[in-house]
Amino acid sequence: KAGVTQTPRYLIKTRGQQVTLSCSPISGHRSVSWYQQTPGQGLQFLFEYFSETQRNKGNFPGRFSGRQFSNSRSEMNVSTLELGDSALYLCASSLAAGLNTEAFFGQGTRLTVV
Amino acid sequence: GIQVEQSPPDLILQEGANSTLRCNFSDSVNNLQWFHQNPWGQLINLFYIPSGTKQNGRLSATTVATERYSLLYISSSQTTDSGVYFCAVELMMGAQKLVFGQGTRLTINP
Repeated sequence: KAGVTQTPRYLIKTRGQQVTLSCSPISGHRSVSWYQQTPGQGLQFLFEYFSETQRNKGNFPGRFSGRQFSNSRSEMNVSTLELGDSALYLCASSLAAGLNTEAFFGQGTRLTVV
Repeated sequence: GIQVEQSPPDLILQEGANSTLRCNFSDSVNNLQWFHQNPWGQLINLFYIPSGTKQNGRLSATTVATERYSLLYISSSQTTDSGVYFCAVELMMGAQKLVFGQGTRLTINP
């Protein structure tokens, strides 16, 4: 059974650009959530999608957005990139909220903004 | 919001030693997980343990939900156990939204 797949693994962007990251959850999992990891702030929740609907959102500016498709794959977008957006972005999938909610993480996308 | 505190922040041990990592949380939780972050950044699931005790090889974990803490035990440490260990909790009334502690960096020297 394939795990959570994130693409791309590494990305270098220039300030002001936008970026789209992709996450394919474990087959059968319907909940996908995104986290940002930085040395200063640690791991912080960005947002969660379930059945194509955003159910929870963390404390991040509107430049951070996401969506989920009918096959449960999810994308997150960051517009007008800032140097501080450099981070490891991790995606997690789980079977369904309210039931077994064990989260499984992908390998992450390491974004560098220059 | 909920506070998740891990201790110690850093731990340096010799190969073969045992260790105990602690995670305290400030509110009732629906779910608690322990992860090991590998050198490439991926979070590897160790335990899904909202309450009780579980064991997997040299690792075991105990969560006492009523007292709001969890412990991760590593016995007979190996150099491959090195890395950062995170606990993460999901609030009782929340959806799939994990709140992470700051992690414990474990270094096992040969």
